[in-house]
Amino acid sequence: DAKTTQPTSMDCAEGRAANLPCNHSTISGNEYVYWYRQIHSQGPQYIIHGLKNNETNEMASLIITEDRKSSTLILPHATLRDTAVYYCIVESGGGTSYGKLTFGQGTILTVHP
Amino acid sequence: EPEVTQTPSHQVTQMGQEVILRCVPISNHLYFYWYRQILGQKVEFLVSFYNNEISEKSEIFDDQFSVERPDGSNFTLKIRSTKLEDSAMYFCASSSARTGVNQPQHFGDGTRLSIL
Repeated sequence: DAKTTQPTSMDCAEGRAANLPCNHSTISGNEYVYWYRQIHSQGPQYIIHGLKNNETNEMASLIITEDRKSSTLILPHATLRDTAVYYCIVESGGGTSYGKLTFGQGTILTVHP
Repeated sequence: EPEVTQTPSHQVTQMGQEVILRCVPISNHLYFYWYRQILGQKVEFLVSFYNNEISEKSEIFDDQFSVERPDGSNFTLKIRSTKLEDSAMYFCASSSARTGVNQPQHFGDGTRLSIL
């Protein structure tokens, strides 16, 4: 069962900000929001994660709504190398789930010149 | 930056043969995982491993599959008698703590397994 909903595809102009939305309306209190991306057939690459607060690192920013039912990954200055499939994943890692990540179809982000 | 490394990058095997895929997780990590991705499909969880035992496995991980940490650095996935439908990319991942306890999984670049 899908825990997240993402648009199938998005386009972005090089140098502009890419804003990738994700809905996770059934998220529970102990579940984190993780973002990964997969470039061509390489292994998934960790981008960022958060629980409640907005987060920023050298790759991206993560904005989580106050009710935690949705989030947005922001790539501030997209480059052609950011063209990839972006996955939004919610997982707790607690209880009987030992950190299993459940990947959906993700959003295909195409950055064009 | 530390990386998860996987070997070989491409493995071609006859159907029915045994295959071992190898992974060297990040050195201070304690949790290890295998995932697979059939061409054009989603990344699927296979198994998680901690403290020298399987923590969780999916329905895909049947009796034909096994995992092992034979020494302090390697983590292997063995498929005993390969089938055509085992053809896929296999990704190893590791984390320093259970995901959800604020430590993400880091993935290798995978082994492409082709069954003939």
